Amino acid sequence: EPEVTQTPSHQVTQMGQEVILRCVPISNHLYFYWYRQILGQKVEFLVSFYNNEISEKSEIFDDQFSVERPDGSNFTLKIRSTKLEDSAMYFCAGIRDRVQEQFFGPGTRLTVL
Amino acid sequence: AQKVTQAQTEISVVEKEDVTLDCVYETRDTTYYLFWYKQPPSGELVFLIRRNSFDEQNEISGRYSWNFQKSTSSFNFTITASQVVDSAVYFCALSEGSGSGTYKYIFGTGTRLKVLA
Repeated sequence: EPEVTQTPSHQVTQMGQEVILRCVPISNHLYFYWYRQILGQKVEFLVSFYNNEISEKSEIFDDQFSVERPDGSNFTLKIRSTKLEDSAMYFCAGIRDRVQEQFFGPGTRLTVL
Repeated sequence: AQKVTQAQTEISVVEKEDVTLDCVYETRDTTYYLFWYKQPPSGELVFLIRRNSFDEQNEISGRYSWNFQKSTSSFNFTITASQVVDSAVYFCALSEGSGSGTYKYIFGTGTRLKVLA
């Protein structure tokens, strides 16, 4: 059964550094998402991506964040200058159409020191 | 605005007890989808069920059952004869068609279920 993969599983970085979180969605999916979960809290929507552009972003998704689907398979989330409060689990997800449930990756735990 | 409320922060039960996790949602859309996900200690999000707004039929899957009531905007989840392996955080989520059609999820705050042996 196809699955969403995310790398790395855990990333530790220093405050102010740039990080890129990578996701490989299921190949026939059309809509892609990033969500964030701060430890012990709920899962929050960051951004959605469709047809090679951002379709919606939340207030969390400020200028420090960007997303790309550079080669039609990978889907990346970049944080330009990490802050302590960016420490969280980041989940990638995708769907082909809205009648499906979103297929989530296993997550990347980002720790900013 | 969309909103999902899971008022129960944490529930503890003894193995074999039945437990119901509550979910109340708010939406102005007539077409929307509701979901339950399980997050075990390992951290991944495990899909449990999807229900669309036009299908109020209750569903049973093994020890799991779901009660969807549009009249009270609730989508509650019951585990019958709970087991230690059911210990996890359970999230309810809402997806509606916003103007941009992104179908993003709005998650509740989750309910941590502890099943004691």
